[in-house]
Amino acid sequence: SQQGEEDPQALSIQEGENATMNCSYKTSINNLQWYRQNSGRGLVHLILIRSNEREKHSGRLRVTLDTSKKSSSLLITASRAADTASYFCATDEDTDKLIFGTGTRLQVFP
Amino acid sequence: DAGVIQSPRHEVTEMGQEVTLRCKPISGHDYLFWYRQTMMRGLELLIYFNNNVPIDDSGMPEDRFSAKMPNASFSTLKIQPSEPRDSAVYFCASSGGMAYGYTFGSGTRLTVV
Repeated sequence: SQQGEEDPQALSIQEGENATMNCSYKTSINNLQWYRQNSGRGLVHLILIRSNEREKHSGRLRVTLDTSKKSSSLLITASRAADTASYFCATDEDTDKLIFGTGTRLQVFP
Repeated sequence: DAGVIQSPRHEVTEMGQEVTLRCKPISGHDYLFWYRQTMMRGLELLIYFNNNVPIDDSGMPEDRFSAKMPNASFSTLKIQPSEPRDSAVYFCASSGGMAYGYTFGSGTRLTVV
C-alpha cells in the first residue's frame, strides 16, 4: 500500500529556479521523511520532520509539515542540474515501518 | 562504514528457478527492511526485522517469497520458484530506529525470463 501521494508527478525547471514538491498522506504519523533517488540507484535520506514540527531546513532544502491537512512540501532552492532525481516522501503511520509515496520526477536543465 | 551492501547487483534467471538476494546492514542498526520497486507499483515494503526478528511480513506477495535474518549482519530474501512478474529492483535498507532515516543499499535488479 502507498501512504503518500506526491504532486506533481513530474517537474521540469531551469537551473537556479526553485522546485516545490508536495506530499499528502492519510493516517496519523510520528514523522515524515523525504528521500532522493537518482536513476538506477538506491534512495538517499534527505530530511526528517517530526509531527510536532512545522518547518525544517537543511542546506538548500526546506520542508514544511501541516498535520491538520496531512500534507508536506519540499522546497529546493537555487536548483542545480545535479538535483535531477526522483523525490519521495515517506511516513511511518505510527509504526516502525516507512511507507513511501509515488514520487516526483524532477528534471533540472542547465 | 561501507553502508548497506546488497548482492548481487544484477540477477537474470529463468522462470521456476530459485533466487536468493543478500543484504548486509549497517553495523549497529536494529532494523532491516526489504522493499521492491517497480514502475507499476512503486516502492512496496515486503518485510521488516527488528533485532533479527521478523515483525511485519504482510507485504510479502506470496508463499514463494521468504526472508530470514540469522544474525545482525546478514539477511536473505528468497524467491522459489521465481516468475516473470517478480522482475523488479529489490532494495534492502537498515535503520537505527524510527527517529532516524533509513540507509538504502544499491539494490538488486532481478529479471526473470
